[in-house]
Amino acid sequence: GNSVTQMEGPVTLSEEAFLTINCTYTATGYPSLFWYVQYPGEGLQLLLKATKADDKGSNKGFEATYRKETTSFHLEKGSVQVSDSAVYFCALKIGSNDYKLSFGAGTTVTVRA
Amino acid sequence: GAGVSQTPSNKVTEKGKYVELRCDPISGHTALYWYRQSLGQGPEFLIYFQGTGAADDSGLPNDRFFAVRPEGSVSTLKIQRTERGDSAVYLCASSLGATGRETQYFGPGTRLLVL
Repeated sequence: GNSVTQMEGPVTLSEEAFLTINCTYTATGYPSLFWYVQYPGEGLQLLLKATKADDKGSNKGFEATYRKETTSFHLEKGSVQVSDSAVYFCALKIGSNDYKLSFGAGTTVTVRA
Repeated sequence: GAGVSQTPSNKVTEKGKYVELRCDPISGHTALYWYRQSLGQGPEFLIYFQGTGAADDSGLPNDRFFAVRPEGSVSTLKIQRTERGDSAVYLCASSLGATGRETQYFGPGTRLLVL
């Protein structure tokens, strides 16, 4: 079946540090890939997405590149801020069920001032 | 306020009771989804509506769970004979359509605790 595996947390880092959250997927077809973010007390928000191989999604200083050869979609940010503290979810949609998001377990990131 | 709203934000009930969770999607969104998020897990798909009809209810865990969307807007997730294992955050999302190109917008969720 289709599934997403993402780096376990929690991750704690200092302001201006480099952040990477690993995400790999297993899919029977050709998925679209997403990163969602959940800030404290808020609902899930789409952070970025990529729909085909080698696409790079970017938003708010975050980037992720769709790597078909390694079935990965790692999230990166070069210099994090305290306001980036949140739970990050990698997700995919695929094929005829392309309305159905499959999520990873989430990675909690805490950025200290 | 143009986002997806869900009520109540928190619900505490006793084992065996019936609960209803409500979702108000973004105005004009024809597609509506329910997900369930257990502690420490990512959201899991429950059911998807296109308009008034449930196009896919394959994620509903058993027949105690039922959802309706009678007028193609507001949806209600209904859980009968609640069990402690039903405790989770229930998320609602909506999108303009249901193709892979449409972004799903999530509500803040209803946190259900079954004692």
